Amino acid sequence: RKEVEQDPGPFNVPEGATVAFNCTYSNSASQSFFWYRQDCRKEPKLLMSVYSSGNEDGRFTAQLNRASQYISLLIRDSKLSDSATYLCVVNPLNTGGGNKLTFGTGTQLKVEL
Amino acid sequence: DAGITQSPRHKVTETGTPVTLRCHQTENHRYMYWYRQDPGHGLRLIHYSYGVKDTDKGEVSDGYSVSRSKTEDFLLTLESATSSQTSVYFCAISELGTSGRGVNEQFFGPGTRLTVL
Repeated sequence: RKEVEQDPGPFNVPEGATVAFNCTYSNSASQSFFWYRQDCRKEPKLLMSVYSSGNEDGRFTAQLNRASQYISLLIRDSKLSDSATYLCVVNPLNTGGGNKLTFGTGTQLKVEL
Repeated sequence: DAGITQSPRHKVTETGTPVTLRCHQTENHRYMYWYRQDPGHGLRLIHYSYGVKDTDKGEVSDGYSVSRSKTEDFLLTLESATSSQTSVYFCAISELGTSGRGVNEQFFGPGTRLTVL
């Protein structure tokens, strides 16, 4: 089982739609969770951290379900500019120091007119 | 945006030649990382550094070496490039996670596209 698993998509949605991505992780002891956004041929950029209580930033809501070991990202009122790949990120099974993170392979979102 | 630069941004080289990629940060962060990103594999950690002259291997370290002689610079060297090392290479930086918070987020440089013919 991969440490972090995501549906690769693509998710094709119309502008204004609500879309949700899920991500599962294998290490029940993980404490750090993030969503990153990556545009085509660009570097990943931090979208938001994911906290146990859930958190919201404008149109974006992230939630953590520790019991089921999954993280979700909800995007409301999708914009064309939201088209990107969304990476789920978790601290790995064996950190061995180094402040390391494990990245999922990403879910591609395409927002269409 | 975090102050991270990578050089060169693009490079084409031939099999068997040595290649060095440079990552430079102005954030004074303790941790630095080199990743490669390939279709279907996502980001994979090559090597990382937890301080000046302190480095360790990641999951795909074979064929790569690194050096960190200054806080701000982290070099990745391919001693003898192979076609399988054609990839996009990203550098990232991070600070130490505070107690109970796990690890901190990482910030990425713009990437280097390397083609080995």
